[in-house]
Amino acid sequence: EPEVTQTPSHQVTQMGQEVILRCVPISNHLYFYWYRQILGQKVEFLVSFYNNEISEKSEIFDDQFSVERPDGSNFTLKIRSTKLEDSAMYFCASSPGQGNTEAFFGQGTRLTVV
Amino acid sequence: SQKIEQNSEALNIQEGKTATLTCNYTNYSPAYLQWYRQDPGRGPVFLLLIRENEKEKRKERLKVTFDTTLKQSLFHITASQPADSATYLCALDIEIGYSTLTFGKGTMLLVSP
Repeated sequence: EPEVTQTPSHQVTQMGQEVILRCVPISNHLYFYWYRQILGQKVEFLVSFYNNEISEKSEIFDDQFSVERPDGSNFTLKIRSTKLEDSAMYFCASSPGQGNTEAFFGQGTRLTVV
Repeated sequence: SQKIEQNSEALNIQEGKTATLTCNYTNYSPAYLQWYRQDPGRGPVFLLLIRENEKEKRKERLKVTFDTTLKQSLFHITASQPADSATYLCALDIEIGYSTLTFGKGTMLLVSP
């Protein structure tokens, strides 16, 4: 069964460093998303991506964040200068269509900023 | 934007009973509502989607209802099993005109043998 894969599963980084989280969405999906979940809190939307551009983003997704689809398979989230409060699980998701279709989530990358 | 409230942080039931989880939303009625399951340290897994013109949806032991008057969805697991223990998340569109999901905090279900 096709699945969304994320690497690495766990990343530890020093405050102020840049990190890149990687995702391979399901191959025939058109919509890609990044969500994050701070420990003990709810899953929060960061950004959605369609047709090689950002379609929606939340207030959390500020200038320190960027997304890219560098080739036909990968989808990345870059955090430019990490802060302690960026520590969270980051989930990539993809869906075949917009809106009322299910989203398929990856297993997440646990980012720890020290 | 939407606010989602899910009943109680944890629900404990005995194996074999029916679990009923509640999702209330506060603003406009969404075109659809989804339920996901999340196990500790894992990503959400899609369970069911129900549209605004549907009153009820079933899948095996799962049933979802959607009442746009009450602004509420109920999620039922019949004949519950210990393997059903997880956090269940309600999700709906984040804003009018948007398609991206916003999630509730979830209800943790614990099914005891």
